[in-house]
Amino acid sequence: GQQVMQIPQYQHVQEGEDFTTYCNSSTTLSNIQWYKQRPGGHPVFLIQLVKSGEVKKQKRLTFQFGEAKKNSSLHITATQTTDVGTYFCARLSNFGNEKLTFGTGTRLTIIP
Amino acid sequence: EPEVTQTPSHQVTQMGQEVILRCVPISNHLYFYWYRQILGQKVEFLVSFYNNEISEKSEIFDDQFSVERPDGSNFTLKIRSTKLEDSAMYFCASGADPEAFFGQGTRLTVV
Repeated sequence: GQQVMQIPQYQHVQEGEDFTTYCNSSTTLSNIQWYKQRPGGHPVFLIQLVKSGEVKKQKRLTFQFGEAKKNSSLHITATQTTDVGTYFCARLSNFGNEKLTFGTGTRLTIIP
Repeated sequence: EPEVTQTPSHQVTQMGQEVILRCVPISNHLYFYWYRQILGQKVEFLVSFYNNEISEKSEIFDDQFSVERPDGSNFTLKIRSTKLEDSAMYFCASGADPEAFFGQGTRLTVV
């Protein structure tokens, strides 16, 4: 199947440091979504990217979609304890309300 | 803010028993989903439901699983004869382009 891989699997950072997670696909993606799952919680939608080379920002979060539409990244500047959780990228199978194929996730822990 | 609600939050069942997990999706959404997440692993698609029928299902969604929308508000997932490996968190979601809204989940423990 069309797998979506994420690296790293785990990341521990000091509060205030930056954090980046990378999402890679062997095939071209029509879109990529990002979700955050707090410990013990449920996935919460953050953003969707659809255009080649697209960059979107949400406060301290910067999302990028690669030029070839095969990779994406999420960068958090100056992490805070509220950023703790697992960040998943996900591919929507069609450009509509079909299934999400989630990446393997990156679990972020913050050292205060 | 509208939300997807799931009951129960935790279900413990004996192997071989039937379980029904319940969800109330967001009322004006058209697509409904079930996903599962084995502890510490990624979220896996089970099934999508549109216009009162299954629109897509994964290889996990075998004959032991079924979904129903018995009335205008509820959306259920039934597992006919549970196995130990069915232990997981089950998330219901409903879709509104492009965002999927997830419920809080039901933690199913099969003993």
